[in-house]
Amino acid sequence: QSALTQPASVSGSPGQSLTVSCTGSSNDVGGYDSVSWYQRHPGKAPRLIVYEVNTRPSGVSTRFSGSKSGNTASLTISGLRAEDEADYYCSSYTSSHSVLFGGGTKVTVL
Amino acid sequence: QVQLVESGGGVVQPGTSLRLSCNVSGFTFTSYGLHWVRQAPGKGLEWLAVISYDGRNTFSADSVKGRFTISRDNFNNTLYLQMNSLRTDDTAVYYCAKDRFPYRHTSGWVPDYWGQGSLVTVSS
Repeated sequence: QSALTQPASVSGSPGQSLTVSCTGSSNDVGGYDSVSWYQRHPGKAPRLIVYEVNTRPSGVSTRFSGSKSGNTASLTISGLRAEDEADYYCSSYTSSHSVLFGGGTKVTVL
Repeated sequence: QVQLVESGGGVVQPGTSLRLSCNVSGFTFTSYGLHWVRQAPGKGLEWLAVISYDGRNTFSADSVKGRFTISRDNFNNTLYLQMNSLRTDDTAVYYCAKDRFPYRHTSGWVPDYWGQGSLVTVSS
């Protein structure tokens, strides 16, 4: 299976909102409400920030929100802060009972 | 708190085997599915395999099916990844991760807490 498609990089200024997209197929993103998003700072383990499309684990800022339309999921970061600069990965449960990750998006805070 | 610690990585030659271990603490081991995920140098995350909480169900990525086997020891709170016929493109940092939801058998997997990873280098 090919990785879910994410833009390689997205950038924004502090205080702005930005959105990272994640495109799959009806066998994964479009077929299940089981899309997750991870934040990864250099040298650190990935941190789950959204699961089941739009649910945040406790302790995750409300500035992070998820959504889905058809085969494309999105992560929106509002009120962008310097500490949001990181790599972001989406993932989805698939029809093969597996998990598929996106290629990752580098978010840069200008 | 939840902790996962991978071990067993190292430098190996192509065609050989290696077994990774993942010791966990901070949660009820026998209640959660567990995953292996890797990241090759300069690449993104690649999910490899999951095993259900009771060990009865395993699923793996096509890229490693038939070469890698996930297993667990529910008496010793340890997860394993047996890797056979290693290739140079298996060079990566390998992570174990706990699933978010307890008692899942086959669906809705969500890797939640992750370890710090174990480096496997396959080189002649």
